[in-house]
Amino acid sequence: GAGVSQSPRYKVAKRGRDVALRCDSISGHVTLYWYRQTLGQGSEVLTYSQSDAQRDKSGRPSGRFSAERPERSVSTLKIQRTEQGDSAVYLCASSSFSHTEAFFGQGTRLTVV
Amino acid sequence: ILNVEQSPQSLHVQEGDSTNFTCSFPSSNFYALHWYRWETAKSPEALFVMTLNGDEKKKGRISATLNTKEGYSYLYIKGSQPEDSATYLCAFETSGSRLTFGEGTQLTVNP
Repeated sequence: GAGVSQSPRYKVAKRGRDVALRCDSISGHVTLYWYRQTLGQGSEVLTYSQSDAQRDKSGRPSGRFSAERPERSVSTLKIQRTEQGDSAVYLCASSSFSHTEAFFGQGTRLTVV
Repeated sequence: ILNVEQSPQSLHVQEGDSTNFTCSFPSSNFYALHWYRWETAKSPEALFVMTLNGDEKKKGRISATLNTKEGYSYLYIKGSQPEDSATYLCAFETSGSRLTFGEGTQLTVNP
């Protein structure tokens, strides 16, 4: 693919439900991040993983957030028992080597009601 | 947890003004410092990746400097235009290609 793509673009979830967000990163990229930006709380890295599939090195570990990487260029961010504070834009980004830029997807806007 | 701080949090300037923002980061275990521009409804895009102390990079009216010894980087915009309105993110890269992002500076340029 030409870039990083995320799906869905928009997601509305009822509080307490689990959600899964998908990221298709750039083939050959080693490092993958999930990152979110929340109004009023700023930005934070949720998880980051390197080339080993299935290994998730969490940026700021939280019991409700986990990422799976069943293939090197595919990642799924899972949020369990969503809370209203999880309403945010969730961005996926990948990069190839150190000292090179990260490429971002267009984001998924999650609204928890 | 690594601390990457950006200031100011938000900034409003008039078209034609020059402006600058700051990113401060740990001075140890430094690999690179990244700057990204995030326009509303778009994906963040890389502006610069800087690796050496004293690096200066320029892209059009935007430039950035790097001081790894004291742990700061400045981003400058000369003659701001409304299309420069965006959130500017910096990210500190450490071993393992791991990026830690600041919270961003939100720039609004009024026509």
